[in-house]
Amino acid sequence: TQLLEQSPQFLSIQEGENLTVYCNSSSVFSSLQWYRQEPGEGPVLLVTVVTGGEVKKLKRLTFQFGDARKDSSLHITAAQPGDTGLYLCAGGQSGAGSYQLTFGKGTKLSVIP
Amino acid sequence: DAGVTQSPTHLIKTRGQHVTLRCSPISGHKSVSWYQQVLGQGPQFIFQYYEKEERGRGNFPDRFSARQFPNYSSELNVNALLLGDSALYLCASSSQGHSNQPQHFGDGTRLSIL
Repeated sequence: TQLLEQSPQFLSIQEGENLTVYCNSSSVFSSLQWYRQEPGEGPVLLVTVVTGGEVKKLKRLTFQFGDARKDSSLHITAAQPGDTGLYLCAGGQSGAGSYQLTFGKGTKLSVIP
Repeated sequence: DAGVTQSPTHLIKTRGQHVTLRCSPISGHKSVSWYQQVLGQGPQFIFQYYEKEERGRGNFPDRFSARQFPNYSSELNVNALLLGDSALYLCASSSQGHSNQPQHFGDGTRLSIL
């Protein structure tokens, strides 16, 4: 069974602070996706990274895929209350005509005004 | 364009009953996947269907089954419901079934078992 470990599980910070969320696995994934989920809603895709060492930026969010494609990080600069939510990483695995995502347990972020 | 739509949004059942959940993918998407999200956990993969065929199955008992229709919509069926089946059931669609294509999620069906 492939597992994705996310840390920290909970994070409460003041507006304007920086933070990093980590996603680690012993397995290699063909892609790594980051989602944000609000209460009562489905996960919304933020980014997909597919190449080892890849770095993608989305405004104040920076995503990195590890060189060995086993781990990833999400860094948020100058967090705002609107960043509050559950952040999920998911490893993609293709094979035999199928594709599935293995999710971490998520990091619940609260940004206090 | 409409996103992934799921119905019903909420459902209450009792132990032993069965339930059918429905999902309509984004127009043009041929792959539908089902996930179970228990409170406090990340979504867990149940099934993937592509072009009406089952392409992947997660570690769930045979009480869980699904199918995909010619219009690419899908149903998830769960028989002999247990208390532990209480969860948010999410449907995701993508244009292809075997690549790193982005998966787009619906808002889920909240199933409560009494």
